[in-house]
Amino acid sequence: DTGVSQDPRHKITKRGQNVTFRCDPISEHNRLYWYRQTLGQGPEFLTYFQNEAQLEKSRLLSDRFSAERPKGSFSTLEIQRTEQGDSAMYLCASSFRKSSYEQYFGPGTRLTVT
Amino acid sequence: GNSVTQMEGPVTLSEEAFLTINCTYTATGYPSLFWYVQYPGEGLQLLLKATKADDKGSNKGFEATYRKETTSFHLEKGSVQVSDSAVYFCALGTANNNDMRFGAGTRLTVKP
Repeated sequence: DTGVSQDPRHKITKRGQNVTFRCDPISEHNRLYWYRQTLGQGPEFLTYFQNEAQLEKSRLLSDRFSAERPKGSFSTLEIQRTEQGDSAMYLCASSFRKSSYEQYFGPGTRLTVT
Repeated sequence: GNSVTQMEGPVTLSEEAFLTINCTYTATGYPSLFWYVQYPGEGLQLLLKATKADDKGSNKGFEATYRKETTSFHLEKGSVQVSDSAVYFCALGTANNNDMRFGAGTRLTVKP
């Protein structure tokens, strides 16, 4: 399977705990995006990487959120001190620079904070 | 700023009915427009796209035409099937933004 993969698919955590999600993009894609999707809404942009450089962050990405892409391949999104409002689907997407508008999405990680 | 407004759902149709899901946009620059589909429990899949005015994107019997004069990109299908039941998202991307802007999604249910 050469699509975008995300791990885990589901995560239940207690408020105040830290969680980390992983995304593996399509191998030849150098751009990687993180989005958050809440129930009944479309995805909202969080941040994006070109290779290992994090080039843009949304105002939605509070200081409790951090994302990395250390070798320009897989990426991790960490949420510290989770809050109930963090409960959402976290989507990863990747694209190849020449067609950067065309993003390919992974299946998402559903986070539930209790 | 850039934004997308799409028809609120849910939409319920009988099999073989005609489908239209409206989408309008606001953008600076020259956006590319997309329709994504999300089946239950899955991520978003690109359904079709159009990169300039008057382009028509098509895939799996779905079509949408990029209308600059009405800033619209309505999704249509002549005869829906039960397997088309999903949530459909209209989206735009521009050279000025690195993120894709999505509409809120329209849930389609097709009954046999």
